[in-house]
Amino acid sequence: SAVISQKPSRDICQRGTSLTIQCQVDSQVTMMFWYRQQPGQSLTLIATANQGSEATYESGFVIDKFPISRPNLTFSTLTVSNMSPEDSSIYLCRRGRTGATCSYEQYFGPGTRLTVT
Amino acid sequence: GQQLNQSPQSMFIQEGEDVSMNCTSSSIFNTWLWYKQDPGEGPVLLIALYKAGELTSNGRLTAQFGITRKDSFLNISASIPSDVGIYFCAGPSFIQGAQKLVFGQGTRLTINP
Repeated sequence: SAVISQKPSRDICQRGTSLTIQCQVDSQVTMMFWYRQQPGQSLTLIATANQGSEATYESGFVIDKFPISRPNLTFSTLTVSNMSPEDSSIYLCRRGRTGATCSYEQYFGPGTRLTVT
Repeated sequence: GQQLNQSPQSMFIQEGEDVSMNCTSSSIFNTWLWYKQDPGEGPVLLIALYKAGELTSNGRLTAQFGITRKDSFLNISASIPSDVGIYFCAGPSFIQGAQKLVFGQGTRLTINP
């Protein structure tokens, strides 16, 4: 199984500040994905992070609020900017398929639990 | 867009009971994935189904890919306390790109000892 790590695992932040979440995967992948899971809800895709190009955002999410970096094939960051209490969620990264397999097995990081006060 | 409807939304059972949950869609999926999420953790892949009619087991878990490709179910036999968590079905979205996953709303499983 894949090894995917996220930092920080949790944080409590004040309104108006920003937090950058890091995701490291153990094998090179073209695509990495960022999700938000609000309390008691399912997972919502924020954006797809492609190495070497701009991230692709889903409806309702914008780059100014959730800037993403993808400097290489094993690492990505998501920043939650100008936070408000409504941003309190678990943020998860997911690894896309590796080049060596056609499998759809998809692995998630452990998540970052963000609380905004 | 593609949506997955998962039921039931929550289950309260006694330890040792069998559990069954399902996922349906109005559109066809070529792959079904079942995840479990423990409190404070990211989802972990339990079973992946790639072929209509496929029945796959992983220990006490059994999942089937519906023959119409529009549904899937997950069964857990002889439940134990560590089965507590939220179970999600998911499938790749081909409208938006093969690697994007659509998720069901989740089934929250609670077990009374």
